[in-house]
Amino acid sequence: DTEVTQTPKHLVMGMTNKKSLKCEQHMGHRAMYWYKQKAKKPPELMFVYSYEKLSINESVPSRFSPECPNSSLLNLHLHALQPEDSALYLCASSQDHGTGFLNEQFFGPGTRLTVL
Amino acid sequence: KNQVEQSPQSLIILEGKNCTLQCNYTVSPFSNLRWYKQDTGRGPVSLTIMTFSENTKSNGRYTATLDADTKQSSLHITASQLSDSASYICVVSGGGGNKLTFGTGTQLKVEL
Repeated sequence: DTEVTQTPKHLVMGMTNKKSLKCEQHMGHRAMYWYKQKAKKPPELMFVYSYEKLSINESVPSRFSPECPNSSLLNLHLHALQPEDSALYLCASSQDHGTGFLNEQFFGPGTRLTVL
Repeated sequence: KNQVEQSPQSLIILEGKNCTLQCNYTVSPFSNLRWYKQDTGRGPVSLTIMTFSENTKSNGRYTATLDADTKQSSLHITASQLSDSASYICVVSGGGGNKLTFGTGTQLKVEL
């Protein structure tokens, strides 16, 4: 299995809702990533998990809360979001969070989030 | 500052024609360079990945080149197909912290 899967594909939520995005990979990768991508812009790194521990938080607002329950799963919990948080949220994984080929990232299809 | 610049910003070509996309970077130290294809509303898919010692790599109709001295890369697409219509993103790994620096992409449209 060489795929990163993300659910749901689309999500519409109000500013008071609590929702979660899910990401799963079965490639044995030990690093997983969350990115946010606005239209016609490159992905922006949000979080990096390495060996199930949070290793990078790119100063993301606390209304985004990542969780890595095990080496195959990565969640992004959402609470009290703002309309400007509407974007494509991409999950990625890599064999390791190191240099070279080990950190070649494989991306999931993304979750299209709309905050009303 | 680590930066990746791509040109052109957008490109329209006829089906069957070839095209070349450019990428210039200032990321240092350099680890590797990748080209991704991203369909609208979908995640990026890796086309090629090259290290410092590689100057060309092919994947079907896609051929990437790398000149580590001038810090330039190109992606050549031959015999374009309608399905090649997508955003092509140049991504450089390195620059400390094992982070990726993304280019802003070239939006390619292939028309009949």
